[in-house]
Amino acid sequence: AQSVTQPDIHITVSEGASLELRCNYSYGATPYLFWYVQSPGQGLQLLLKYFSGDTLVQGIKGFEAEFKRSQSSFNLRKPSVHWSDAAEYFCAVVIPGGYNKLIFGAGTRLAVHP
Amino acid sequence: DADVTQTPRNRITKTGKRIMLECSQTKGHDRMYWYRQDPGLGLRLIYYSFDVKDINKGEISDGYSVSRQAQAKFSLSLESAIPNQTALYFCATSPTGNEQYFGPGTRLTVT
Repeated sequence: AQSVTQPDIHITVSEGASLELRCNYSYGATPYLFWYVQSPGQGLQLLLKYFSGDTLVQGIKGFEAEFKRSQSSFNLRKPSVHWSDAAEYFCAVVIPGGYNKLIFGAGTRLAVHP
Repeated sequence: DADVTQTPRNRITKTGKRIMLECSQTKGHDRMYWYRQDPGLGLRLIYYSFDVKDINKGEISDGYSVSRQAQAKFSLSLESAIPNQTALYFCATSPTGNEQYFGPGTRLTVT
């Protein structure tokens, strides 16, 4: 069955430090890939998406993600974290061709120290 | 105004009560979804609808029902609420079934 794994449940970084959140998926072909962010008390906001083409995609709020087919990964990065980035981050995939079900990882909660 | 709205935002109810959560959207999308979020489990799909006449069960539909009253409205009902339905519920919409746009969520507590 298709699955999405976010190995890190919690990550803490200092403000201004770089960030990388990991995401791996299990599927034979390349799915559509997404990162969402959920701030406390808020719904999920789409950060970025990958369908095809350039494997490095830029998103909102200074985030980027890189698709690596050989590793079945879609890691999220930010060069310098701000305190307002503290939130929960979800990686998700859509397997194209079916009813386009969005499959979520369990999430990574990011804390930012001043 | 928000594109996807959910009412109520918070609800406390008792075991055995019927409850309805409502979702409205102004994005003009045909596809609508209901998810529940539990800590450590991410979001799981309850029901989804491709249009008013097309409603489908998701992975955890037991104990839930839905109604698509119009393109813009998709309601989730718990016929007889139980404590393990305590969760955060999200409605989402999509133009194509790929990227989805989420409402702010409804926090439901069943005592």
